[in-house]
Amino acid sequence: EAQVTQNPRYLITVTGKKLTVTCSQNMNHEYMSWYRQDPGLGLRQIYYSMNVEVTDKGDVPEGYKVSRKEKRNFPLILESPSPNQTSLYFCATASFLRAGKNSPLHFGNGTRLTVT
Amino acid sequence: GQQLNQSPQSMFIQEGEDVSMNCTSSSIFNTWLWYKQDPGEGPVLLIALYKAGELTSNGRLTAQFGITRKDSFLNISASIPSDVGIYFCAGRNRGSTLGRLYFGRGTQLTVWP
Repeated sequence: EAQVTQNPRYLITVTGKKLTVTCSQNMNHEYMSWYRQDPGLGLRQIYYSMNVEVTDKGDVPEGYKVSRKEKRNFPLILESPSPNQTSLYFCATASFLRAGKNSPLHFGNGTRLTVT
Repeated sequence: GQQLNQSPQSMFIQEGEDVSMNCTSSSIFNTWLWYKQDPGEGPVLLIALYKAGELTSNGRLTAQFGITRKDSFLNISASIPSDVGIYFCAGRNRGSTLGRLYFGRGTQLTVWP
């Protein structure tokens, strides 16, 4: 079954304590991306990766890091979390069908992060 | 970053009614997508549009890529309770890389039986 798996689903942490949210996909997709969802703001792109070892900033990259050492995994790292990073986070993946287009985004089920 | 204006923010309708929501951008887009998000889950693609003027249906849902390339709309006909959720428009503008996808702020749909 095609899946995008995020872990953990829920996380409560304290300011400054480094954390990692993992994202794994079994569809061999080249493209992976992280979004955060906040009430009234929709989904905002944090970082994305077009392929292994290729990452780029989205709209709101400050305070986040990512890595893409292998195709299936795209972890989101918060080196020093702050309360304004309390949010619902989604990982999404897609394949490239042909030049100029990619397949629909497949989303994980989200990680709800609370930073106190 | 690119701003997508999605309206309305929320809708409260009776079962059986038709629904219409739209999205506008300040720049030309070459891809418009519509997603639905159920509570506790990630968004799921409903309809993808790749050409100006394109009109595409998926069951009771119909979406169109505006001819100006700066807007798109989604219609839901004869709504049912399971249509409840948040609907997002998303798109890619002509100048951005393939990886940059922008989302609207969502339309929260409530359907009363």
